[in-house]
This record gives sequence, C-alpha cells and structure tokens, in this order.
Amino acid sequence: GAVVSQHPSRVICKSGTSVKIECRSLDFQATTMFWYRQFPKQSLMLMATSNEGSKATYEQGVEKDKFLINHASLTLSTLTVTSAHPEDSSFYICSAPRTGSTYEQYFGPGTRLTVT
Amino acid sequence: AQSVTQLDSQVPVFEEAPVELRCNYSSSVSVYLFWYVQYPNQGLQLLLKYLSGSTLVKGINGFEAEFNKSQTSFHLRKPSVHISDTAEYFCAVKDFGNEKLTFGTGTRLTIIP
Repeated sequence: GAVVSQHPSRVICKSGTSVKIECRSLDFQATTMFWYRQFPKQSLMLMATSNEGSKATYEQGVEKDKFLINHASLTLSTLTVTSAHPEDSSFYICSAPRTGSTYEQYFGPGTRLTVT
Repeated sequence: AQSVTQLDSQVPVFEEAPVELRCNYSSSVSVYLFWYVQYPNQGLQLLLKYLSGSTLVKGINGFEAEFNKSQTSFHLRKPSVHISDTAEYFCAVKDFGNEKLTFGTGTRLTIIP
C-alpha cells in the first residue's frame, strides 16, 4: 500500500534555531502534500498545502515566513520551522493524496518537535 | 465552509462491550466522510471511508459506520471492543472537488478491562 514517511520522528532543538522536517511519498507521486499541526490532545489543524513546483498555500493565521515549505519534487516536501520557540513545540504530520485519487490521503507517522 | 463535530471527547467502555462514537458534519455540498484512528505518538490510520453507494461502510479492525444524510451524521460503531482499540478517533470530511480534509476534535476511546 501507499506509504508516506517523515524524518525525523523526533527532534529537540534550542530556541532560536531552525529545524527541517521531511515528508516523502515512497511508492507514489504527490503533486500536493499537506502539513498539519497537532497540539497535545487536540485535533489536526491544517497549516498549509504544499504544491510541487510552486508556492505553498498557507491557512489563515499561519506565518509563512516562520514555516517555510518547499516541494521540490513529486516525492518530497519539507517544512522548516525557522527561529523556533517553545510555543512551536508540537506534533507535525504530513499527508499526501495519491495522484489521480480524488478522496484518499495517506498520512505520515508524524514528527514530534520539542523546542527548549 | 464545512465543519465536523465530535460531541464526545472521551468514551470509556468495558472490554467486549459495544461502542458508538458520534460524528456530525455540516457542508453545503456533497462530501466524502472518513474515520481515522491515532495510536499514541503515531500518525493517522484510515479506519473506513464513505464515498458513495451503501450507507453502511465496513472498515478495518471490526469497525463500521453508517452515513445518514438527513441527520448529517457518520457514527462509528463496533459490536465488541478490545483493549487494543484504545486510541484517539477522528472523524473527517472532504468536499467533492476539494483535497482538503477537515477534522473533528477527536474522541479518546478508553477500554476498561
């Protein structure tokens, strides 16, 4: 079946540094990927839609200069949290719809970011 | 705009008892409906989906859900739960022609031995 991977699974960084999270579709191409953020015991909130070869589309209230998204190929999207602060600590999850599918999304296992 | 309501934030159930997790949605257009399960510190796994056709949908791990258009509901059920069903369950909706998923706030299912 389709698999989406994320790397790293866990990362701890110091306040003020930047962290890059990778999302890969392993056996299918994804022209679009989605990035979600999940706070403890809360639902997933869509942060942005990553589009291969073009700029990402950010949801209202999400700082595009802080959460940099790059979708350089049909199998890789990256989310960079710049100048991270403790309030950025969260669980970040990516998903990708299978190309040609109008309904099915596959989710990555998530990345736990802790900013100290 | 679409929205999803999961009224029950936590549901404790005794092992081998039946369970129903409620989900209601609102949307001005036709939708696809999904239930996902999330185990601790893991991503989401698709339990089942409703796209069209039969309103009773069967998924993995013995779960099923019934789409009720008039009540705009998509409740998840299992006739006999197991300890391994302890997890967070999310209902989600997607409009036709839109790739974005909107999630409910989740229901934590706790199985009591």
